[in-house]
Amino acid sequence: GNSVTQMEGPVTLSEEAFLTINCTYTATGYPSLFWYVQYPGEGLQLLLKATKADDKGSNKGFEATYRKETTSFHLEKGSVQVSDSAVYFCALSGLTDSWGKLQFGAGTQVVVTP
Amino acid sequence: EAGVAQSPRYKIIEKRQSVAFWCNPISGHATLYWYQQILGQGPKLLIQFQNNGVVDDSQLPKDRFSAERLKGVDSTLKIQPAKLEDSAVYLCASSLYGTGLSTEAFFGQGTRLTVV
Repeated sequence: GNSVTQMEGPVTLSEEAFLTINCTYTATGYPSLFWYVQYPGEGLQLLLKATKADDKGSNKGFEATYRKETTSFHLEKGSVQVSDSAVYFCALSGLTDSWGKLQFGAGTQVVVTP
Repeated sequence: EAGVAQSPRYKIIEKRQSVAFWCNPISGHATLYWYQQILGQGPKLLIQFQNNGVVDDSQLPKDRFSAERLKGVDSTLKIQPAKLEDSAVYLCASSLYGTGLSTEAFFGQGTRLTVV
C-alpha cells in the first residue's frame, strides 16, 4: 500500500538558517504530493503541492520538487523565521484512490529560535 | 469564505462512555473526511464521504465507531463505547471533489478527545 516516511523531529534551527525536511514515499503509479503545516493551536493547512514528476510546489518561501526517480518530495526554505515554528506533514494522494484520501507521514516538528 | 467547523474543541470522557463529534464542511464541498490523529503521529483516515455516500471506511473500527452524513452536508462521528486508545484529535476535512483530482482538502481545527 501507499506510505510516506519523513525525517523525525524536532528540528531546532536559528532564525535565518536553511531548513530541509526529508520526505520519501511508496506508491503505485504517480501520486499527488503535498506538504501540510500545523501551527500551534491551529488546524492543518496546505502549504504546497505537486501533481506530477518534476513539478515544483512553492509557497511562503518554501519549495519542494516532485522527484519520481528518488520517490522524494523534500521541503526546503532558505531562511527560516520564528513564525515558521510548526509541525510539517508530508502527504500523498494516490491516483488509485479515486476520491483522493490523503496518506500522511508522522510529521516533523520544527522549532526556530531567535 | 467560512472554513470547516467542528465542535466541540475539547472533550474528556471516561472509558466505556459514548461521545459524538460534529462537522460542518465548507459550503458546496462534496467530499468529507474524518481523520484520527494520535499524538506524535500523522492523521489517519477513518471514513470518507462523497455527498452522503461512504466511499472508504476500511480503517473505521466499526464495532465502536460510526459516522453519518445526512443530506450530504453536516456529519457526525460517534464512538461507543470509548477506549483509552481512542484518545486523539479527530479532524474533519472537506474538498470540492477529491484530492486525487488536485483539489485541496481544507481541515477544521479538530476535536481533542481524552479518554480517562
